[in-house]
Amino acid sequence: QKEVEQDPGPLSVPEGAIVSLNCTYSNSAFQYFMWYRQYSRKGPELLMYTYSSGNKEDGRFTAQVDKSSKYISLFIRDSQPSDSATYLCAMRQGGKLIFGQGTELSVKP
Amino acid sequence: GAVVSQHPSWVICKSGTSVKIECRSLDFQATTMFWYRQFPKQSLMLMATSNEGSKATYEQGVEKDKFLINHASLTLSTLTVTSAHPEDSSFYICSARSLAGGNEQFFGPGTRLTVL
Repeated sequence: QKEVEQDPGPLSVPEGAIVSLNCTYSNSAFQYFMWYRQYSRKGPELLMYTYSSGNKEDGRFTAQVDKSSKYISLFIRDSQPSDSATYLCAMRQGGKLIFGQGTELSVKP
Repeated sequence: GAVVSQHPSWVICKSGTSVKIECRSLDFQATTMFWYRQFPKQSLMLMATSNEGSKATYEQGVEKDKFLINHASLTLSTLTVTSAHPEDSSFYICSARSLAGGNEQFFGPGTRLTVL
């Protein structure tokens, strides 16, 4: 079993839709939870960073962590074609990041 | 701020040759740099962690004699793929963590290696 599981998609939605991206994890020692966005043939860029259970909002993005269920989510409201990318969840243990497989999102105009 | 560059962005080489990839933190000093490998439609897999002035720590299954890492200064780390083979073709991404503290890793744009 992988430490971090993420549905690879691809996920295709119409512009304006609410997108839900999810990851589960098995290691309760993970302390910090991140979401990265990666455009094709580019490095990942950090979108959201949380360390406690609950919700964190930043503009159209909301990150949700449920440590009891070992489950994290990223919600994107009013999705735009420019949101089309691969979204990776990542978890930090010590100094290392463990990434999920990434979910490929396509937002159609 | 917090920009990380990689050079080259794309390289094609013949099997058996060695390739060097540079990772630079442009506007900050990085105590620690990380090297990842990403195959198409797969996740980033950590290969090694390097600290300035000391030997890199390699992840299990990564051959240290094949993937040579040098972290010669607080702004530069290099990854050399020695005697490259087609199975080494991949997207190599570095990240850097700032000397100023904090836990965030800043990622470079990646280097696409194709070994013929």
